[in-house]
Formats: sequence, C-alpha cells, structure tokens
Amino acid sequence: DGGITQSPKYLFRKEGQNVTLSCEQNLNHDAMYWYRQDPGQGLRLIYYSQIVNDFQKGDIAEGYSVSREKKESFPLTVTSAQKNPTAFYLCASSPLTGGGHGDTQYFGPGTRLTVL
Amino acid sequence: GQQVMQIPQYQHVQEGEDFTTYCNSSTTLSNIQWYKQRPGGHPVFLIQLVKSGEVKKQKRLTFQFGEAKKNSSLHITATQTTDVGTYFCAPSGSARQLTFGSGTQLTVLP
Repeated sequence: DGGITQSPKYLFRKEGQNVTLSCEQNLNHDAMYWYRQDPGQGLRLIYYSQIVNDFQKGDIAEGYSVSREKKESFPLTVTSAQKNPTAFYLCASSPLTGGGHGDTQYFGPGTRLTVL
Repeated sequence: GQQVMQIPQYQHVQEGEDFTTYCNSSTTLSNIQWYKQRPGGHPVFLIQLVKSGEVKKQKRLTFQFGEAKKNSSLHITATQTTDVGTYFCAPSGSARQLTFGSGTQLTVLP
C-alpha cells in the first residue's frame, strides 16, 4: 500500500527539548517537503529536498533542521531554538516530472506537536 | 515564492447553495494548483491549471484560471455536506515548490 507515513500522530514535549518528526514515503518520489500549519492558517514551507543529501530552506526554516540520507526518508528536527513550536506539521512528497510546472504534492497525515 | 491572497477566509452556506473561493496575485502565475483539506485531515490535490483562461470541471466543481494568469477561482454548485473543508490555492515557484494561500474554510449547514 503506497503512501506517506508520519509518526506519531500526536506528540508532546517539554519546552527546551529537541524533537524529531519522522516522514517516510514509498512512492519513489524525488522531492519531499515539510510544512507547518497553525490553526485557521495556510501551510508554510519549512524545508524541501529534491535529491538525496541535498535540501533547501523554505520560508520559515529558523529553529528547524532536516536530513535526506535516503530517498524514502526526510526527518524534521524541531530544535529548542524554535520560539513557538506548537503546530500541525505536514510532510509531502512529489515526483519531479520535468514538465516545467509545479508537481502534485501528496501529503502524509501530519503530526500535531504540542510543547508544554 | 509567489504570494497570493485568497478570499473569503470563511464561508457558511446552506446545503444546496453555491460557493466560490477566489485566489488573487499581483504577479503573473505560471500555473496554480488547488487542494482540499477536510477538518482534522491533510491537504489533497484537486487540480492543476496551466493555460490562460483555462476552465476545468470535476462534477460539481469548476476551476478557472484568469486570462492574465493573475487570478483563479473554484466554484462549487449545489454544495453538499461532503464539501466541508478548507480549500487552498497554491501557485508554484521557480524552484517548483508551492506557496499555499491562506485558504477558504467552507461550512455547509444541513
């Protein structure tokens, strides 16, 4: 059954702790993305990667870090430097079709992080 | 990335009424995608528009891309309770990443 998995669905952490959110895809997609969504708002891009061992900062990368050691995996670490980390985090992937247009993104179910 | 303004932010309709959400940009867009996010869920791709003046239909949903490629709209005819959710427009940037609008949250009253 192909798709994107994110775990856990809900995550609680104490302030000052780093936390890593997992994202795995078996769609053989080249590109992967991390977004943050706050209540009643749109999605803001944190980081994205189009190839293994390479990634780029999005609009709100401060306080976050990522790695892309395998094509299937794109974990996101929320560091203690992130001032307001409580949010809904969404991972997505897309094929790079080479058509010159934006590629359809397929989203995982998300992780709701609450920092106490 | 491309910045877009999406209006309205919220819309409540009676079941059976029509609904429209608009996505506006100050710059020309190369293409635009639309996504739907059900309450508590994740965004799901609906459609991509590429050509100037393009109109695409999916059952009760009609998507339009403006002639100048600076605006787009999603129209739902005769809304149903299954249409509830937040609808996002998302133009793509030069590096092929998407910039999501703030979304229109649709509530359908039975």
